Amino acid sequence: EAGVVQSPRYKIIEKKQPVAFWCNPISGHNTLYWYLQNLGQGPELLIRYENEEAVDDSQLPKDRFSAERLKGVDSTLKIQPAELGDSAVYLCASSPDPDRNNEQFFGPGTRLTVL
Amino acid sequence: GESVGLHLPTLSVQEGDNSIINCAYSNSASDYFIWYKQESGKGPQFIIDIRSNMDKRQGQRVTVLLNKTVKHLSLQIAATQPGDSAVYFCAEIFNQGGKLIFGQGTELSVKP
Repeated sequence: EAGVVQSPRYKIIEKKQPVAFWCNPISGHNTLYWYLQNLGQGPELLIRYENEEAVDDSQLPKDRFSAERLKGVDSTLKIQPAELGDSAVYLCASSPDPDRNNEQFFGPGTRLTVL
Repeated sequence: GESVGLHLPTLSVQEGDNSIINCAYSNSASDYFIWYKQESGKGPQFIIDIRSNMDKRQGQRVTVLLNKTVKHLSLQIAATQPGDSAVYFCAEIFNQGGKLIFGQGTELSVKP
């Protein structure tokens, strides 16, 4: 079974530029998560989707971050404009259903460097 | 606020020895506790979890112990191997539909 796929794996941009990350969850997984992980820290939830609905976006900085999951499968996370402090790893995870958040499968992440 | 934290940021062990990684949590209402392993350049990988109504659970070479009295969680790895070198995170979840809260992480280094 294929795992969670993320692209790109690495991205280097200059501050104030836009950037987008893509995630393809495990087939059949209705719940999708985006996390931010700073160096040496645990992942922090940015947004959680159940199918195409964002059910928890309370930690998403909405002035510059946006996300979508239009058909309830793939998802895109965007930052516009990026700031130096956005340098981090952005992880996508999925789980089979909303009541199994303890069973999350993570992708490899996208490492973003903002110069 | 609620938090999950680790006592030791780094742990170095000899190959073949047993490893113990500790974690303190503060939300006594959490229902699940989970250990993740994260290797360099990869996402966290599930190792083992334990429900709050249990105090011990064993997997292959790993054992998780939960002490609710002192809000302490530990991961024991038997016969530690070089492939166990990674950062280990504990995480808690209030209920199966709730948010996963991660701790800071402990880096395990296995010396050959």
